[in-house]
Amino acid sequence: GQQVMQIPQYQHVQEGEDFTTYCNSSTTLSNIQWYKQRPGGHPVFLIQLVKSGEVKKQKRLTFQFGEAKKNSSLHITATQTTDVGTYFCAAPEGNNRLAFGKGNQVVVIP
Amino acid sequence: DAGVIQSPRHEVTEMGQEVTLRCKPISGHDYLFWYRQTMMRGLELLIYFNNNVPIDDSGMPEDRFSAKMPNASFSTLKIQPSEPRDSAVYFCASSLGSSYDQPQHFGDGTRLSIL
Repeated sequence: GQQVMQIPQYQHVQEGEDFTTYCNSSTTLSNIQWYKQRPGGHPVFLIQLVKSGEVKKQKRLTFQFGEAKKNSSLHITATQTTDVGTYFCAAPEGNNRLAFGKGNQVVVIP
Repeated sequence: DAGVIQSPRHEVTEMGQEVTLRCKPISGHDYLFWYRQTMMRGLELLIYFNNNVPIDDSGMPEDRFSAKMPNASFSTLKIQPSEPRDSAVYFCASSLGSSYDQPQHFGDGTRLSIL
């Protein structure tokens, strides 16, 4: 089945700095979704990317879908303590399933 | 609007006991998913329903696990008998339309500990 690989698995980020998390696939994706899970919480949908090379912004968050639709990135600028959590990418696989990556756990250092 | 509602929020029980987890999806959503999350294995899809019909249960670990959706507003995940390795957070999620292009809305989860 479809697998999406996320790198890095863990990040420690200084408050105020920028960071990027990546999601890669060996096959072409029809679309990709990003979710955020706060510590002790549940995954919350952030955004969906569909088009090749698509870039979407949500305040300090910039999401990008690769030209070949095999990778995606999430870039956060001016990190705040509220950005702490685990960021998941997810892509459709056969039979209407969503395959979630292992996630990138982000710790923000004040 | 109310989100996905799961109960109980926490469950601690001894191995061998039956465990029943409950989920009420968002009204109008036609897809319901059960996930299990652990540190080792991440977020795993166990089973999902479309219009109350189980479509894919290939993620159900073994015969000890069963899931039902008797109507559009209620689903259960049952473990009988439970084992310590079943300890995890179990999430229910629902979506309007296929997961191919629709976001999934997760409940708060049930934190299950089997002693």
